[in-house]
Amino acid sequence: QQQVKQSPQSLIVQKGGISIINCAYENTAFDYFPWYQQFPGKGPALLIAIRPDVSEKKEGRFTISFNKSAKQFSLHIMDSQPGDSATYFCAASPSQYQLIWGAGTKLIIKP
Amino acid sequence: DAGITQSPRHKVTETGTPVTLRCHQTENHRYMYWYRQDPGHGLRLIHYSYGVKDTDKGEVSDGYSVSRSKTEDFLLTLESATSSQTSVYFCAITSTGRDEQFFGPGTRLTVL
Repeated sequence: QQQVKQSPQSLIVQKGGISIINCAYENTAFDYFPWYQQFPGKGPALLIAIRPDVSEKKEGRFTISFNKSAKQFSLHIMDSQPGDSATYFCAASPSQYQLIWGAGTKLIIKP
Repeated sequence: DAGITQSPRHKVTETGTPVTLRCHQTENHRYMYWYRQDPGHGLRLIHYSYGVKDTDKGEVSDGYSVSRSKTEDFLLTLESATSSQTSVYFCAITSTGRDEQFFGPGTRLTVL
């Protein structure tokens, strides 16, 4: 299975709260799991990425949690800010230079 | 923006007409991609290129063709545009040994 399932489709979080977006995959051969952030009118840009040999990666307020046995990974945004309002995409790599994308989550941070 | 430009940025066309979108990069990246983005579907790969004159199909290639005669340019052609091809089209690039894809600003195409 080459799909990546992302949830929720949309998310509203109060400023200062924690935003959590989840993704699930089927193919155990996937070996690279990035999260991209997209602002309106712009192309997606890499936010943070992880490989399956680690269970967590943190960069500032952004953390990826990876559960290999459950074939799930999630993005956590701590102390969410209005500037974090964007669409977030998870992806997985079935082979080098290829990405399979989730459907996206529209995140709104309320001031 | 990794030196990627897309043209045109917006286009409105009629069903049945051919349309060509251009992706231009200035940094000699080997791999180039065309995606379409539609609500609820994320990004879907149309075609990609791994070198000059080397291209391959993605998951939604029907109705599209591509050409890459120079490293810096990757053209996407809709041979006979249909309303189902109304979408935002993104070009992306990456380099040998890199995982990160860099995206252009997108082209919004409307087929009436």
